[in-house]
Amino acid sequence: GGIITQTPKFLIGQEGQKLTLKCQQNFNHDTMYWYRQDSGKGLRLIYYSITENDLQKGDLSEGYDASREKKSSFSLTVTSAQKNEMAVFLCASRDRGLAEQFFGPGTRLTVL
Amino acid sequence: AEKVIQVWSTASRQEGEELTLDCSYETSQVLYHLFWYKHLLSGEMVFLIRQTSSSTAKERSGRYSVVFQKSLKSISLIISALQPDDSGKYFCALWELRYNQGKLIFGQGTKLSIKP
Repeated sequence: GGIITQTPKFLIGQEGQKLTLKCQQNFNHDTMYWYRQDSGKGLRLIYYSITENDLQKGDLSEGYDASREKKSSFSLTVTSAQKNEMAVFLCASRDRGLAEQFFGPGTRLTVL
Repeated sequence: AEKVIQVWSTASRQEGEELTLDCSYETSQVLYHLFWYKHLLSGEMVFLIRQTSSSTAKERSGRYSVVFQKSLKSISLIISALQPDDSGKYFCALWELRYNQGKLIFGQGTKLSIKP
């Protein structure tokens, strides 16, 4: 078994601030994902990475940067937080031989 | 247009009852996977069950089972013997295998409340 951890669990930022969310997994999975969930909506893909140092844009990448410096970690940066940024950000990983993605507990972002 | 649609945004049942959550999807692909996930209040997203488009098996995992109607592009999640811990938000998701990195498309989710 393994686990995905996301830090911080709650993140409060000011409008215009640069904010970084971190994700670690010990499954040794190749592919990692960042999703955003807004209230009343499904999850939307921001960025994903199929291996260390790889980055692929998802449907919602504008306003975000990502970094995959190690296989086990995947960071997401909100480049300039906006009030409509308030959402839950979920990190996930997947082994190349499996279809299922496994999710972390999420980071809830509030922008003041 | 939305590719994965969960018509009901909320549902409520009594403990011990059975519930069916519906999901419809759009795809032109032959090979794809469909998933059901449960989003807990704690924030955790838990994988429940998977249906592969090429499979005719009736997938089941514990109290979870699915009804897959491929020609109608519909997949329903059935939860039997509902318990209070079943409360949460349930998401249906589609993975078209042309996206071999596993890009999931999620529905809007159905929030389930179980009354003791």
